[in-house]
Amino acid sequence: DQQVKQNSPSLSVQEGRISILNCDYTNSMFDYFLWYKKYPAEGPTFLISISSIKDKNEDGRFTVFLNKSAKHLSLHIVPSQPGDSAVYFCAASARNNNDMRFGAGTRLTVKP
Amino acid sequence: GAVVSQHPSRVICKSGTSVKIECRSLDFQATTMFWYRQFPKKSLMLMATSNEGSKATYEQGVEKDKFLINHASLTLSTLTVTSAHPEDSSFYICSARDQGAIYNSPLHFGNGTRLTVT
Repeated sequence: DQQVKQNSPSLSVQEGRISILNCDYTNSMFDYFLWYKKYPAEGPTFLISISSIKDKNEDGRFTVFLNKSAKHLSLHIVPSQPGDSAVYFCAASARNNNDMRFGAGTRLTVKP
Repeated sequence: GAVVSQHPSRVICKSGTSVKIECRSLDFQATTMFWYRQFPKKSLMLMATSNEGSKATYEQGVEKDKFLINHASLTLSTLTVTSAHPEDSSFYICSARDQGAIYNSPLHFGNGTRLTVT
């Protein structure tokens, strides 16, 4: 049961442009959402998060938007840089549960 | 920052043998550690939640007797793949949360173990 879905397996963007990565979830109990970044042969590293009481959280070039009614969140990276090329995982957690559920990931390639 | 060390990073074993993967939190104590498995082009699938001093909680469909988890201390959890088969070949990743952290705190991940069963 895929509770967190990232329907785009890959995304290619030109350097300097905006990258938009999308994530959908099905479990209405999720109340905290995180984005992780993963390089090859490494474990994921935390990037940015958002609580369900907010609809936007910004950290430098990274902004996460949450649309609770649509059960959808997105990660915006602007301007995109070649070093941003990685796999991005969307994750969600619920207050009544200790674990964290991940999407399938989106491979972002930023071309110079 | 919090560091999780996972060892080995890569292992090749023969079918029928057992392989142990270690996950250590180096600069924090983790009451709970999580074991994930990643298939090609698939999400990180939670296999089990490892609880220090008690039995692990396995996700539906994960064989307890095949994937043995031991969390003997606040800094070490091990996953043993018993009687490995080629279909067990995968990328296994552990993660941990500081024991003082709340449910929505980011997890700290190890670098993963690439298991190949021949």
